[in-house]
Amino acid sequence: GESVGLHLPTLSVQEGDNSIINCAYSNSASDYFIWYKQESGKGPQFIIDIRSNMDKRQGQRVTVLLNKTVKHLSLQIAATQPGDSAVYFCAENGGRGGKLIFGQGTELSVKP
Amino acid sequence: EAQVTQNPRYLITVTGKKLTVTCSQNMNHEYMSWYRQDPGLGLRQIYYSMNVEVTDKGDVPEGYKVSRKEKRNFPLILESPSPNQTSLYFCASRPRGGVKDTQYFGPGTRLTVL
Repeated sequence: GESVGLHLPTLSVQEGDNSIINCAYSNSASDYFIWYKQESGKGPQFIIDIRSNMDKRQGQRVTVLLNKTVKHLSLQIAATQPGDSAVYFCAENGGRGGKLIFGQGTELSVKP
Repeated sequence: EAQVTQNPRYLITVTGKKLTVTCSQNMNHEYMSWYRQDPGLGLRQIYYSMNVEVTDKGDVPEGYKVSRKEKRNFPLILESPSPNQTSLYFCASRPRGGVKDTQYFGPGTRLTVL
């Protein structure tokens, strides 16, 4: 069946370093992908998105890379800060629009 | 402020006692949905609604009901809650069409069924 999964459940980085969070997806029909950040006690918050006709998209301190050949998605956070500590989810729309399929999440811990 | 609100934020109840979790959005979004979040299982969609009076089952609809009488509200109803419905629930909304399919999430409702 369809699945979106994360390679690493936890990631610990030093403040100021760059972070890379990875995600694999299995549905070739997916044409839209989103990264969400979820802080403790809060709902998921949109970070950045990318459509399948793109390979890379940059935001403020974040970059999403999409490799459709191997069905891989990554989130890069530059100069990671303590406020970046959270669980990060990737999600895909399975080509159906509206319904999102979420990965299980990666917990990012930033050490001062 | 554009937001999705849920009430209550925390609820402890007993098996079989009907409850409703409300969800409201002030962004005039057509699409709304409910998710539950469980450790190791991530976010799973319970029900969704494409517009007023239009609802459909998500991946885990058993034991839940929803209604969409107004565009801004999308309550989640548990007619006879059971302990396996203990979870963290999120309501989300997004506009139909447009460039983004981004969903905006509420703050969550932590439900415990004893």
